[in-house]
Amino acid sequence: VQLVESGGGLVQPGGSLRLSCAASGFDFRGYSMTWVRQAPGKGLEWVAYIDHEGSQMFYAESVKGRFTISRDNTQNSLSLQMNSLRGEDTAIYHCARDRHQLVFWGQGTPVTVSS
Amino acid sequence: EIVLTQSPLSLPVTPGEPASLSCSSSQSLLHSNGHYFLDWYLQKPGQTPQLLIYLVSIRASGVPDRFSGRGSGTDFTLEISRVEPEDVGVYYCMQGLQTPYSFGQGTRLEIK
Repeated sequence: VQLVESGGGLVQPGGSLRLSCAASGFDFRGYSMTWVRQAPGKGLEWVAYIDHEGSQMFYAESVKGRFTISRDNTQNSLSLQMNSLRGEDTAIYHCARDRHQLVFWGQGTPVTVSS
Repeated sequence: EIVLTQSPLSLPVTPGEPASLSCSSSQSLLHSNGHYFLDWYLQKPGQTPQLLIYLVSIRASGVPDRFSGRGSGTDFTLEISRVEPEDVGVYYCMQGLQTPYSFGQGTRLEIK
């Protein structure tokens, strides 16, 4: 199992960014997926979840209405569209397989929101 | 929204001694299927988190048997029977019962 995130970077407050997670080594379409973030020096924060079909999505209150999780089962790819970014969104963003009992994690992609 | 509160926030332990970490939930984590949806993770310095325990007490693959979990309702405990130097890091509990899912704030275990 391999999960590789990309798309992070420096963005100004109010800006947008789209993160991707490339999955391999397992039947991607059979598993739900999760995004978890970790701000510098802080703890883990659950961000969003999508079921295996892409028909159910749930979000943390802190990102609801600004972030959108999606997936492309034909490309074995997970995405996180982040709009209206704020300083408090600065973090390393990890994708993980499943909705809980998160065994497999990517190394993460860093997002910095700053002017 | 379910809030998980961990204690202590910092735990210095002598190698070979036991350790007990607590996770308290703002509401019961009992699912209608009879299971409690509570996981424990360890994030070692510079690493991604690793799953230690799921459904309160089931050790994940490869996790040493010195780690054990127990609890019910709203109160859960991770116990390490004999702490080893490689156990240092931050331990998180996570609830998967109700969205938004959530992590506790973490307990940092350090070696004395």
